[in-house]
Amino acid sequence: DAGITQSPRHKVTETGTPVTLRCHQTENHRYMYWYRQDPGHGLRLIHYSYGVKDTDKGEVSDGYSVSRSKTEDFLLTLESATSSQTSVYFCATWDPTRDSTETQYFGPGTRLLVL
Amino acid sequence: GNSVTQMEGPVTLSEEAFLTINCTYTATGYPSLFWYVQYPGEGLQLLLKATKADDKGSNKGFEATYRKETTSFHLEKGSVQVSDSAVYFCALSIASGTYKYIFGTGTRLKVLA
Repeated sequence: DAGITQSPRHKVTETGTPVTLRCHQTENHRYMYWYRQDPGHGLRLIHYSYGVKDTDKGEVSDGYSVSRSKTEDFLLTLESATSSQTSVYFCATWDPTRDSTETQYFGPGTRLLVL
Repeated sequence: GNSVTQMEGPVTLSEEAFLTINCTYTATGYPSLFWYVQYPGEGLQLLLKATKADDKGSNKGFEATYRKETTSFHLEKGSVQVSDSAVYFCALSIASGTYKYIFGTGTRLKVLA
């Protein structure tokens, strides 16, 4: 357990509004990831970070941006929310100095509904 | 490219039945393989893993063997319980510098008493 929390846990918003989801970890893991989970698709990577201020895109990054100004926090922003971004969002972390087997640890998820 | 294919669910079993959930993969290089479990309303938890061919991962009565020749990592349990009802995800990771997972679509298991 990497002490990962996500906030908010649930959010309802309207189309066109910006939304920011927060992932906070207490284990000083270097890598952090944002996934979305949708029926029939499993989990798909949105963005990830390999260090403070170091981020890169995943397979479904359109419409999302991220920031990591501190090791412990990784923010996911939906610039202008759309109904297609209704999903459950999971944060995950990993650190290569703690575990060479690349085991990721997941947060509890944020359920987002865009109306 | 890299991909993971899981058997479609839902899978419905009676308590004490034998469970198999199939997972096959396509990968360039030598991936690590994982099974994660998601209980209702929760995040994903690591169930077991294997990092090289012929390794067997095991945990809580579940097992999976990394089969390079068949590119498979099937999950098995000899006797399921109602508490095993969950969604199971197969995933791979390739140490290519980015350490990203590729997930299967998940298989929902329902165990009836």
